[in-house]
Amino acid sequence: DAGVTQSPTHLIKTRGQQVTLRCSPKSGHDTVSWYQQALGQGPQFIFQYYEEEERQRGNFPDRFSGHQYPNYSSELNVNALLLGDSALYLCASSPRGQGWQPQHFGDGTRLSIL
Amino acid sequence: QQQVKQSPQSLIVQKGGISIINCAYENTAFDYFPWYQQFPGKGPALLIAIRPDVSEKKEGRFTISFNKSAKQFSLHIMDSQPGDSATYFCAARGNQFYFGTGTSLTVIP
Repeated sequence: DAGVTQSPTHLIKTRGQQVTLRCSPKSGHDTVSWYQQALGQGPQFIFQYYEEEERQRGNFPDRFSGHQYPNYSSELNVNALLLGDSALYLCASSPRGQGWQPQHFGDGTRLSIL
Repeated sequence: QQQVKQSPQSLIVQKGGISIINCAYENTAFDYFPWYQQFPGKGPALLIAIRPDVSEKKEGRFTISFNKSAKQFSLHIMDSQPGDSATYFCAARGNQFYFGTGTSLTVIP
């Protein structure tokens, strides 16, 4: 039983570019949350998707956007990249009715901005 | 503003000893308090969690102590092992999950 899978594992971009990160939730999970984890810090909530809609959003600018597909997979898009966007981006999934219990995290995408 | 304050930042414990990590919060609306364990290159993994109507929860060598009046909770790792060496995060659920800044635990053989 595959857990949460994220791709790519590493990515290098330059300032001003755009990036798309992908997440496949654990089998049986339909709710996906995205987090940003800066080096030496705890994860910070970006947003959560359920039934293909953004249900809750953290304190992140509109440059951060997302999407959820009918198969529950999700994308995180970041436009106009800044140096400060360099971080580990984590996806977490949870089963229906437990959207606020992100039990299963993926191993993340390490994004470096040059 | 950090919603959940975690200490210490790093901790070194001898094998067999007790590791204690503390967290504090201000928002009394928080209703669920999980702890996560993260190894290098991996995502956080849920370790143990507690609700504020319970003062203590134990799962194997891991225990959460919760003090609602003081708005503090802590993770105790009994009989610490080298394999427990990892970064630990406390978290609290409000309108979203808020994470502490993490504690890097090293267990010396």
